[in-house]
Amino acid sequence: KNQVEQSPQSLIILEGKNCTLQCNYTVSPFSNLRWYKQDTGRGPVSLTIMTFSENTKSNGRYTATLDADTKQSSLHITASQLSDSASYICVVRITSGTYKYIFGTGTRLKVLA
Amino acid sequence: EPEVTQTPSHQVTQMGQEVILRCVPISNHLYFYWYRQILGQKVEFLVSFYNNEISEKSEIFDDQFSVERPDGSNFTLKIRSTKLEDSAMYFCASSITGFSGELFFGEGSRLTVL
Repeated sequence: KNQVEQSPQSLIILEGKNCTLQCNYTVSPFSNLRWYKQDTGRGPVSLTIMTFSENTKSNGRYTATLDADTKQSSLHITASQLSDSASYICVVRITSGTYKYIFGTGTRLKVLA
Repeated sequence: EPEVTQTPSHQVTQMGQEVILRCVPISNHLYFYWYRQILGQKVEFLVSFYNNEISEKSEIFDDQFSVERPDGSNFTLKIRSTKLEDSAMYFCASSITGFSGELFFGEGSRLTVL
């Protein structure tokens, strides 16, 4: 069954600290993996997209890694800010031929001053 | 910056009533989607739409749901006879390409069925 699992479910950190969020997937065949940020009550906003051949991709203070062999991805946030408080969702796409994305349950991050 | 817009932001309806949620995708995008998120749960795919027809739908998208692109700019989701379990946030999304294109989401329409 195609699934995307994320950990931890929730995380509280102090402003300025770094954190790493994890995503494990069993989706096959794999096309690409995306990390989205979702503020409460808002639509998800894309942070990064990674294909099978990419290992690391950065977007400002966000760095995503992908290990396609172990089917794991991580999102590292550097020097966290209060505005980073949100849910971070890992989304995996099944390979071409379908428009379906498999969403993870998300990690709810709270950054405290 | 172009964005996907959705209306209404919140709708309250009685069980059994028909509801239409509206979306204006980004103008040069060709692929359109509806997703829903029940409170506290993950985002779920409902349907994708391309070239004026449904390209894929999930098991959630049963006969009570329909989508339409009535005028070349709006993209609507209709729920014919709402049930309590239809209460959720409904997100519209669009993308330039279908297979690898980045999804751009709207702010969502919160539907509450009483």
